[in-house]
Amino acid sequence: GAVVSQHPSWVICKSGTSVKIECRSLDFQATTMFWYRQFPKQSLMLMATSNEGSKATYEQGVEKDKFLINHASLTLSTLTVTSAHPEDSSFYICSARGTSGSKGNEQFFGPGTRLTVL
Amino acid sequence: GEDVEQSLFLSVREGDSSVINCTYTDSSSTYLYWYKQEPGAGLQLLTYIFSNMDMKQDQRLTVLLNKKDKHLSLRIADTQTGDSAIYFCAEDKGNTGKLIFGQGTTLQVKP
Repeated sequence: GAVVSQHPSWVICKSGTSVKIECRSLDFQATTMFWYRQFPKQSLMLMATSNEGSKATYEQGVEKDKFLINHASLTLSTLTVTSAHPEDSSFYICSARGTSGSKGNEQFFGPGTRLTVL
Repeated sequence: GEDVEQSLFLSVREGDSSVINCTYTDSSSTYLYWYKQEPGAGLQLLTYIFSNMDMKQDQRLTVLLNKKDKHLSLRIADTQTGDSAIYFCAEDKGNTGKLIFGQGTTLQVKP
């Protein structure tokens, strides 16, 4: 099956700093990656859709200047939480959708990144 | 209101069948999904069903789709303690690849 990795798996940072989270598709090319956040005991909320080589599309209510997304290649998308604050503490999960075949419809999820902002 | 709704908790005994229910709102969704999430982990795709199907069976898993009522269910036969997790249903809203998730159903399997 297809594998998606995230790095780091967890991070603790001070308020006001920026944190970058990487999402990589390891064995397939992903034209589209999605970023979700999940609060404890809650569902996943889609934050943005990241397309390789173009600007990300953000969902309503998500600040694009705060959550910077870069999809620089077909295997890598990054989410940078800028000037992080305690309310940004959450579990961030990415998913990647392949370019063709069975992977064309299915999304493969990364293991998630736990962000804690002190 | 929520686009996708699930009951929050289900408790069963090992060996029994579990049925997790979900309702969704977007009748244009082509695919409907069931994901499993274990504590502190990402999501694992369990199964999905194409909207022109009524039922799909995959080993211990059976998915039933009632498109008229926009109701989806996941039945796990012979539930094991390893099945304890949170189960999310999701619809692909507008077939854009953007998944809208339900709140998740916590399945507790008692020995």
